[in-house]
Parts: sequence; structure tokens; C-alpha cells
Amino acid sequence: NAGVTQTPKFQVLKTGQSMTLQCAQDMNHNSMYWYRQDPGMGLRLIYYSASEGTTDKGEVPNGYNVSRLNKREFSLRLESAAPSQTSVYFCASSTSGGHSTDTQYFGPGTRLTVL
Amino acid sequence: SQKIEQNSEALNIQEGKTATLTCNYTNYSPAYLQWYRQDPGRGPVFLLLIRENEKEKRKERLKVTFDTTLKQSLFHITASQPADSATYLCALYPRGANSNSGYALNFGKGTSLLVTP
Repeated sequence: NAGVTQTPKFQVLKTGQSMTLQCAQDMNHNSMYWYRQDPGMGLRLIYYSASEGTTDKGEVPNGYNVSRLNKREFSLRLESAAPSQTSVYFCASSTSGGHSTDTQYFGPGTRLTVL
Repeated sequence: SQKIEQNSEALNIQEGKTATLTCNYTNYSPAYLQWYRQDPGRGPVFLLLIRENEKEKRKERLKVTFDTTLKQSLFHITASQPADSATYLCALYPRGANSNSGYALNFGKGTSLLVTP
């Protein structure tokens, strides 16, 4: 099992450009998540998908959109990148998110720089 | 406001000693608390989950305590090794979090541990 995979690993964008971060999991998990991690700020939830066909906003959704393409894949789109979106982005998945014993499996991250 | 606080200063200890990391929380009433490990350039990896009615939980050289009165969890690594050097994150769901109320696994900012030979 590959677990959670993310592409690309690194990306540099200019302000105003758009891009999509891809995430896939092969653990048959129902729930998937996108976080960003910034120095001194910890992990912050951007969007999540409780199950295929549903998505909801997290703590910091502004400037992002998501698509739960199928049970395996959950993508994050930046429509018009801004320097404030420079960060490390992590995708995660879990069996049935929201249950208090649910644990999350993380991907390796995408390091995004917006100039 | 809800807060999860972990020591922001790195913890440096000598190999073989016990490392103790602290997680304090305010305005939460969690039924469970989780600990994750994060290595540089990698995503967090789940280590342990402890329930509110479990005072202590062990896994190999790891031990976690959970004191709901003090609103604190302690994470211990005994006989520490250089390979234990990493950042350790605590995380919890607010009580009542479920698929209807929204997903809210909240993470602390983590404490960096450095074990020197």
C-alpha cells in the first residue's frame, strides 16, 4: 500500500497563477482532509471531505477550492495564488472522520512557494 | 477561545534519558487525545491515542498520561535514542465532534525533541 500520495512535491508559482494539488489514498478511507502548515502556526485545516460527494470548509478555506473526485482522490485548487499561500500543504485521510478515536494518515506534503 | 499549547522551545536531552513533553489544553472537554510524530520534510505519523478514562497508556518505550482535571497530557519517551529526534504533536477532537457537527481534529504546534549521543 502506498498510503496517501501527493503531487507535486514542490511547486513555485507567481502571484495570480492557478494550480491544483493532487491527493490520493489507497486505504479505502471515507474521509479526506487538506491542511496547511506554517512556521509557528501549526497545522490548520483548510477543507475536508467526510465522504465521497461531500466537502466542507475548515478553519482557513479562503482562496481555496476542493473536489472529491471519487473515494480515492481529493484535490485542492488555488485559483489565483497569493504570497500568503506560501506554505507546506498536507493531505490526510481517515476511516470515518469525526469519530473521536479516528486517527489520520498523512501524505508527504507539497511545498508551495508563491512569488 | 480553544487552545492546545505545547512547549515552543526545543527539548534537548542526552541519549538514554527520559524525554517528557507537555500538552495543555483550554476550553476543550476531549474524550480522547492523540499524539503524532513529525520528521523534517514529512507528514505527521500517528503514535498513540488515550481515552479520558485511561490515566496512562504505553507502547514500547512510549508512555502517555491524560489528566482531565489538570487539562494536560504528558508524553514520555524512556531510554531515548537519537532516532527519537523529531517534532511531537498532540491533537484532539472537541467533545461531540462528528460528521454532522464538523471535523475538528485540532493540533498543537508541536515540540521539537533533539536527542544527542
